[in-house]
Amino acid sequence: GQQLNQSPQSMFIQEGEDVSMNCTSSSIFNTWLWYKQDPGEGPVLLIALYKAGELTSNGRLTAQFGITRKDSFLNISASIPSDVGIYFCAGLPTSGTYKYIFGTGTRLKVLA
Amino acid sequence: DTGVSQDPRHKITKRGQNVTFRCDPISEHNRLYWYRQTLGQGPEFLTYFQNEAQLEKSRLLSDRFSAERPKGSFSTLEIQRTEQGDSAMYLCASRRTGSSGTDTQYFGPGTRLTVL
Repeated sequence: GQQLNQSPQSMFIQEGEDVSMNCTSSSIFNTWLWYKQDPGEGPVLLIALYKAGELTSNGRLTAQFGITRKDSFLNISASIPSDVGIYFCAGLPTSGTYKYIFGTGTRLKVLA
Repeated sequence: DTGVSQDPRHKITKRGQNVTFRCDPISEHNRLYWYRQTLGQGPEFLTYFQNEAQLEKSRLLSDRFSAERPKGSFSTLEIQRTEQGDSAMYLCASRRTGSSGTDTQYFGPGTRLTVL
């Protein structure tokens, strides 16, 4: 099935560093969701975005809805070991489909 | 809300056996989705319901797969004559739709299926 381009695929960072990841699409979306998934668990919703240019925070996490409506960004500030996991973006196209399209995931590893 | 629940969390079965999974969505969410996820991949859409009506099925959903949502509340996903390739995490999600700025989708903890 269709998936969004998400980058980077994986990253190793030192504890305390900031992290950035993004999702891009060739289609226009009207909603972006960001999830975190721990091993053996379902994805947990972190942030929801609904308007182009919107910037929304959830603690140390900040996400932005790209102005072109074809991309979204997630930033994590001052990373800690429990930030380890896989981060997925999901976009809802404007084309009338009733399902979210998921990114390929960014695997984050934090070195203490 | 109490969140999306799935049962069982883990299932080990022998090839050729039938298995059934259950999902209880967040109450008042009218849309329910089933996904399959394999290692290192994002969730892949299988099927979705609006209330009790099954409105779309992926081509991934072979004839051995069937899903129901009989009263528009909980849903079941059955796999008949399981194959080793069916081994995966099966995720259920419920979605709240409405006016702009309220669409959200929440996942359950998943059912990990291992076919021996």
